[in-house]
Amino acid sequence: AQTVTQSQPEMSVQEAETVTLSCTYDTSESNYYLFWYKQPPSRQMILVIRQEAYKQQNATENRFSVNFQKAAKSFSLKISDSQLGDTAMYFCASGTSYDKVIFGPGTSLSVIP
Amino acid sequence: EAGVTQSPTHLIKTRGQQATLRCSPISGHTSVYWYQQALGLGLQFLLWYDEGEERNRGNFPPRFSGRQFPNYSSELNVNALELEDSALYLCASTLTGGSYEQYFGPGTRLTVT
Repeated sequence: AQTVTQSQPEMSVQEAETVTLSCTYDTSESNYYLFWYKQPPSRQMILVIRQEAYKQQNATENRFSVNFQKAAKSFSLKISDSQLGDTAMYFCASGTSYDKVIFGPGTSLSVIP
Repeated sequence: EAGVTQSPTHLIKTRGQQATLRCSPISGHTSVYWYQQALGLGLQFLLWYDEGEERNRGNFPPRFSGRQFPNYSSELNVNALELEDSALYLCASTLTGGSYEQYFGPGTRLTVT
C-alpha cells in the first residue's frame, strides 16, 4: 500500500525568502508519480508540480522546484522568492497509472509580509 | 474550457437523511475521484470511477456509494447521514488512473445537523 507523510503541519516564511516543504512516501511500485498540490484559502485545489519516478531530473515550474530522492523516498518542494499568494495548504501525493492517488495530511504555509 | 463543476455548493441535511452530490468532469476526462475533507484535515479518498466502473474505494462504510454515468459525470450518495459526515466533498477528474494531473472542483460543503 502507498503512504504519504508530511511531517510539518505548519510553516511560515518571509515574503521573498525561500522555503522547503518536506514529504516522504512509501510504495512497492517501480513506476509511480509524485505530485504537489496547492489549496489556497478559497479551496480550489490546483497542481503545483508533477514528477515521474523514472525520471532522475528534478521537476521545476517557475519558482517551484522539487528535490526528488528516490532511494530515500523523499520528495520535497522548494518555493523560491515566496509571494503572499503562496499562502495555502500544500499536499504531497503519490499515484500509479492504474490506481488511486494517495494524499499526505498537508502543510499549511503562511507567507508573512 | 470549462473546469470541473460540482453541485450543490452547500447542502444542509439532518441526521438520518440522504445526500446526493454531483460532479461534472472536464470534457475528455474519463476518471472521477471523490474525496472527503473534514475541517482542518487532509483529503480522505472515497471513490474512484473510470469508464463507468468503480475502480477503487477508500475505507468508508457502504452507506457511501456512487456511480458514473455514460457522459462520465458522477454522483456521490451518502445514506443515513451522521454528524461526522459534515465535511467538504471534493471531486476531481483526470484522464485515467493516478499518473495524471487531477483537476479539482470547488467542492460541496455538506453540513449534517
